[in-house]
This record gives sequence, C-alpha cells and structure tokens, in this order.
Amino acid sequence: QVTLRESGPGILQPSQTLSLTCSFSGFSLSTSTMGVSWIRQPSGKGLEWLAHIYWDDDKRYNPSLKSRLTISKDSSSNQVFLKITSVDTADTATYYCARREFFDYWGQGTTLTVSS
Amino acid sequence: DIVLTQSPASLAVSLGQRATISCRASQSVATSNYSYMHWYQQKPGQPPKLLIKYASNLESGVPARFSGSGSGTDFTLNIHPVEEDDTATYYCQHSWEIPYTFGGGTKLEIK
Repeated sequence: QVTLRESGPGILQPSQTLSLTCSFSGFSLSTSTMGVSWIRQPSGKGLEWLAHIYWDDDKRYNPSLKSRLTISKDSSSNQVFLKITSVDTADTATYYCARREFFDYWGQGTTLTVSS
Repeated sequence: DIVLTQSPASLAVSLGQRATISCRASQSVATSNYSYMHWYQQKPGQPPKLLIKYASNLESGVPARFSGSGSGTDFTLNIHPVEEDDTATYYCQHSWEIPYTFGGGTKLEIK
C-alpha cells in the first residue's frame, strides 16, 4: 500500500535552513505522471502548497516562496526532499508531503517550530 | 494566483440531513473534459483526506454519501445523509495551474 512519512528537525532558530525528507513506499517516482508535493499548515490555520516534483525531475514552486525553496528527489531510495532557507517564525507549521497533483495520499506530517 | 472562496466558513447540520459546501474560484479551473477541483476532509490532528477528485469523482473507499459537482468556477460538495463521523473541516483545492491553492476551509458540526 502507499505510505508517505515526513521527517525534519522539529525546531530551528530564525535564519537557519530547514531540511525536510519525505520517505515513501508503494509507488515509484520514476513512473510517468507521478509526483510529490510539499504542503504546510500552521496550527489552527489553512493549507499552503509549497512545491511539487514530477517523475521527470520537473519542479514547480509557489512563487510567494520560490526564492527560498528547493525540492529534489532520489527515486532509487524513494525519497523527496525540501529545503527552505532563512526560516522565521512565520514558517512554524506542520509540513506534509502528498502524492500527485490531487493529493491522494498524505504523510502524517512533521512539525516545525521556529524560535530563538 | 487563483483564489478559492469557500462558503460557509462553518455550518451545523442535523444528523441525517444534507450538508452543502460551496467553493468559488476566481477564474475557471475547467476544460470541456475535466474540472481541476478536488475536495478534502480534515479531522483534528490528522492530515487531509481526499474525498473527491476532478470535481465529481469519488475517491476509492469514500462513502457514497459524499458527492461533488460543478464546473467552470463554481463547485459544490454535498454530504447526505450526514453522520457524526463527518465532523471535520473541508477544503477545496485546484490543480489548474501553479501555484495550487486551497480554499479557506469549512468547519462542519453535526447537531
């Protein structure tokens, strides 16, 4: 079955770089049309799409954050990565990875707190 | 960016009755063949769960009490008859263009 699991540092200080990993199973990111997105949700608030990577390594970013985001993948190890530079308190949120452009499978999320 | 406006922000529906949630897009998210609008249910402490994809296609395993409709810029999620387990926040999301965006959410309470 399809599963995704996010991992991250949990807490960062302002200006540091966030590195997130999405480890998945049950599908291949080498398969045509497949892709994985990162989405975040501040506590008690709505959902914000961040970035998407396709099976052919094409990448799409939310323009509002594009200068700070880098998405990448390792299809052989079934992992997708997201880096966010220069974090601040506004980046405090739960970060999810999800499959495809209609997000049919989600991980449980990893929580990030940015605090000095 | 395409703005998705959900209404109402919250609603309370009696057990067994119908819940109707609207999502209006700031521009069309549809072709003649596909509407790139999707619906999710999120319960506290859980990730969202896909209910409906491409406006009206029920995701596998989702009860037939859930249905979606609409085209162009106006879309609707219906739940009938509602059950206690449907207490949750519901979101619409488009995949028409980058950036994908979500509606602000509709909180459903079952009376």
